[in-house]
Amino acid sequence: QVQLQESGPGLVKPSETLSLTCTVSGGSISSYYWSWIRQPPGKGLEWIGYIYYSGSTNYNPSLKSRVTISVDTSKNQFSLKLSSVTAADTAVYYCAREAKGAVAGGYYYYMDVWGKGTTVTVSS
Amino acid sequence: SSELTQDPAVSVALGQTVRITCQGDSLRSYYASWYQQKPGQAPVLVIYGKNNRPSGIPDRFSGSSSGNTASLTITGAQAEDEADYYCNSRDSSGNHLFGGGTKLTVL
Repeated sequence: QVQLQESGPGLVKPSETLSLTCTVSGGSISSYYWSWIRQPPGKGLEWIGYIYYSGSTNYNPSLKSRVTISVDTSKNQFSLKLSSVTAADTAVYYCAREAKGAVAGGYYYYMDVWGKGTTVTVSS
Repeated sequence: SSELTQDPAVSVALGQTVRITCQGDSLRSYYASWYQQKPGQAPVLVIYGKNNRPSGIPDRFSGSSSGNTASLTITGAQAEDEADYYCNSRDSSGNHLFGGGTKLTVL
């Protein structure tokens, strides 16, 4: 059974870079998309971006200028870097596996495995 | 527009049926997936594709879609179904969209 575990600092200073890693256990990182999602306190889910195991990425347009997602297939890990953070970046950060299904004429996507989340607070 | 819209809150009497809806242009092209989130926990996938349930999700959960609207139906709601529910889909640019979430109260 595939499990995901987020890790990284729980406190980041304003203007610095937030760095998190998601470790995939119980399965291979190959053949899937891998996403980062966040949830500010008391608010809804916000997709940050995803990376395909081959390295191709797609980012939320509202965060694109500050986000980098990378993958290390040898370690079965993928990582998030978010630069120039402010208090508005305080949130629970989740990593998730995205699977793909086929239907006539196309595909559909869904996040079937999630990490438990890690809280990141931006404060001096 | 590149967004998904959900009603902020819905309530249902114990044992009754409730439908939670999600509207957005992307849903004309892509199936929604639905996630249940209880306080302090990570989201859990409950419905994906046309109407598929992951292993372990009760069959009282079902999904449907028509035009720009996707729906999650709970037939015979239980107390443990009280949670926030989020819809999600990709858009034509490959970006993911989440609805704002619906807080379900079971009375």
